[in-house]
Amino acid sequence: NAGVTQTPKFQVLKTGQSMTLQCAQDMNHNSMYWYRQDPGMGLRLIYYSASEGTTDKGEVPNGYNVSRLNKREFSLRLESAAPSQTSVYFCASTPLRATDTQYFGPGTRLTVL
Amino acid sequence: DQQVKQNSPSLSVQEGRISILNCDYTNSMFDYFLWYKKYPAEGPTFLISISSIKDKNEDGRFTVFLNKSAKHLSLHIVPSQPGDSAVYFCAATGGTSYGKLTFGQGTILTVHP
Repeated sequence: NAGVTQTPKFQVLKTGQSMTLQCAQDMNHNSMYWYRQDPGMGLRLIYYSASEGTTDKGEVPNGYNVSRLNKREFSLRLESAAPSQTSVYFCASTPLRATDTQYFGPGTRLTVL
Repeated sequence: DQQVKQNSPSLSVQEGRISILNCDYTNSMFDYFLWYKKYPAEGPTFLISISSIKDKNEDGRFTVFLNKSAKHLSLHIVPSQPGDSAVYFCAATGGTSYGKLTFGQGTILTVHP
């Protein structure tokens, strides 16, 4: 039981490049989330998926797209990376809603030059 | 507009003493509050939560207190241990934000042996 896994762990991009951050959970959870963590800002919600087939914007969705591929996988795509997207990205999942414990992955550290 | 605030960026405590971490919120619709702990290079892990129908919740060395009138919650760790050294985030959800967590900026706790 791996919990929530994220790939890659580290990534360096040049401005304008695109990439997809992958997230998978093996706990049969319904809801999945993408956050970014910046110094002094805490974790901010980018997008979330309450259930398979649905996605909704969070607090900071601009510059990102998401895909809930199936119940297990929730990917985050940067179409044209910008230096302001340099951050640590965390994926999380929860059985139903946010009042259930959210389980977080180990994070992806992204640097955009 | 920071709806959840942790005004102390850091806290230093001696082993065996009490650690008190504070959190304030502005959104009166929040009705469920959580504390997460984060070690470097890892994702946050759930620590303890409290519903707005309670004013205290205890789990071993960890106790969370909620003062709804002051829109303030605190996490008490007694006794503090060096292994408690980490970043602590408070989070809140409720009302139109139900299903999404709003995090504070985090407080770095250092427990000295």
